[in-house]
Amino acid sequence: QVQLVQSGAEMKKPGASVRVSCKASGYTFTDYTLQWVRQAPGQRPECMGWINTENGSTKNSQKFQGRVAFTRDTSANTVYMELSGLTSEDTAMYYCARMNPYYFDTWGQGTLVTVSS
Amino acid sequence: EIVLTQSPATLSLSPGERATLSCRASQSISNYLAWYQQKPGQAPRLLIYDASNRATGIPDRFSVSGSGADFTLIITSLEPEDFATYYCQQRSNWPYTFGQGTKLEIK
Repeated sequence: QVQLVQSGAEMKKPGASVRVSCKASGYTFTDYTLQWVRQAPGQRPECMGWINTENGSTKNSQKFQGRVAFTRDTSANTVYMELSGLTSEDTAMYYCARMNPYYFDTWGQGTLVTVSS
Repeated sequence: EIVLTQSPATLSLSPGERATLSCRASQSISNYLAWYQQKPGQAPRLLIYDASNRATGIPDRFSVSGSGADFTLIITSLEPEDFATYYCQQRSNWPYTFGQGTKLEIK
């Protein structure tokens, strides 16, 4: 079955960077773009950006300009999200989601990133 | 950035009743709207996309009306598993945005 499996929870100090992985299975990896969505506690989901898994092109929200990077490893069917300059406002659940083609039909289980001194 | 406003924030109903959830966009988004259901501790689940198309496996008690800037999700005859938080999401303009959610709780 189609599945996205993410890496485990992270605890980081302010100013640090975090890297979250998302491994796809059950479908042809390069057929679908993957989106990163985060959700702070009690808040609405927020789209961070996406990566075209076929050619590696990316697009991110202006809100994260200069702080976020999306990469992929096609040999491992895995995409990565790296967020730098962490503050307490980055504490959230981070999800990868498959875009089909504009909506998110499959989601990872989420990775909790906690930023605290 | 397109702002989506959902109402009400909380809706208290009993199983078997009909639920009506609203989503209003700050500008016209044609029919480029989706609805998701989220239960505590889980990722959102796609219910309906492009305003009126049900995702795979979604029962026909879920339907949507509206276009342009005003949309309504209707759940006829609520089942116990329908009590959750519902979000609308637009894909008309980047960044794609979500509404703040409507929590559907058991009365």
